[in-house]
Amino acid sequence: EVHLLESGGGLVQPGGSLRLSCAASGFTFGSYAMSWVRQAPGKGLEWVSAISGVDGSTYDADSVRGRFTISRDDSKNTLYLQMNSLRAEDTAVYYCARADGLDYWGQGTLVTVSS
Amino acid sequence: EIVLTQSPGTLSLSPGERATLSCRASQTISSTYFAWYQQKPGQAPRLLLDGASSRATGIPDRFSGSGSGTDFTLTISRLEPEDFAVYYCQQYGRSPRAFGQGTKVEIK
Repeated sequence: EVHLLESGGGLVQPGGSLRLSCAASGFTFGSYAMSWVRQAPGKGLEWVSAISGVDGSTYDADSVRGRFTISRDDSKNTLYLQMNSLRAEDTAVYYCARADGLDYWGQGTLVTVSS
Repeated sequence: EIVLTQSPGTLSLSPGERATLSCRASQTISSTYFAWYQQKPGQAPRLLLDGASSRATGIPDRFSGSGSGTDFTLTISRLEPEDFAVYYCQQYGRSPRAFGQGTKVEIK
C-alpha cells in the first residue's frame, strides 16, 4: 500500500527557514516523480515544486522560486522541501504527492509563518 | 504561464442529479497531462481522472471526463451523497503546473 507521511511543519517567524520531509513507502520511490502542493487556509490548491524520478530535474512555481528547494534521497525513500525566507503568504498545509499525475497524497503538514 | 479557470464556482444540486463541471485553459494543453481531483473537508485531495478521461484506481464509473485543447469537462452522472465536495482541475504538461481555483458541489 502506498503511504506518504509529511513532517517538519510548525510555526516560524517571517524570514525564517523550515525543512519539510515526506517519507514514502509501499512503492519504488526512485522510479517516480514527486511533488509538493500547498493549500492556504480556506483557499484552493497551489502547486509548489516537482522533482523528476529519472534525472532529478526540478520545477518550481514562480511564487517560491529562489526561496524553496525540492530534493530527494532515494536511499531513504524521502522527499524534502527546504523553505527559506518564509513569508506570511507561505502559511498553508503542505502536501507531498506521488507522480506527475499526483495519484497518491499524504495528509499534509501545516506551516504557519507569523511573528 | 497557463491559467485554468473553472466554472461554475459553486454548483448546487440534489442527490441523483447530474453534475457538469468545466475547466478552461488559457492556452492549448495536452489532454495527456490533464487531471481532475476531489477534495472533501479536512482531507487531502484525491485523484479522480488522469489523461482527461481515465479514471484512477477505485473511482466509480459515474465520474467521467472529456475534452481537449482548452476546454475540459468533468461529469458526475448521478450525484451520491459522498460526491459533495470541491473539485479541481490541473495541467502538468508544462511548468508551472497550475490548478484551477476549484468548483464546490454542494447539496441543494
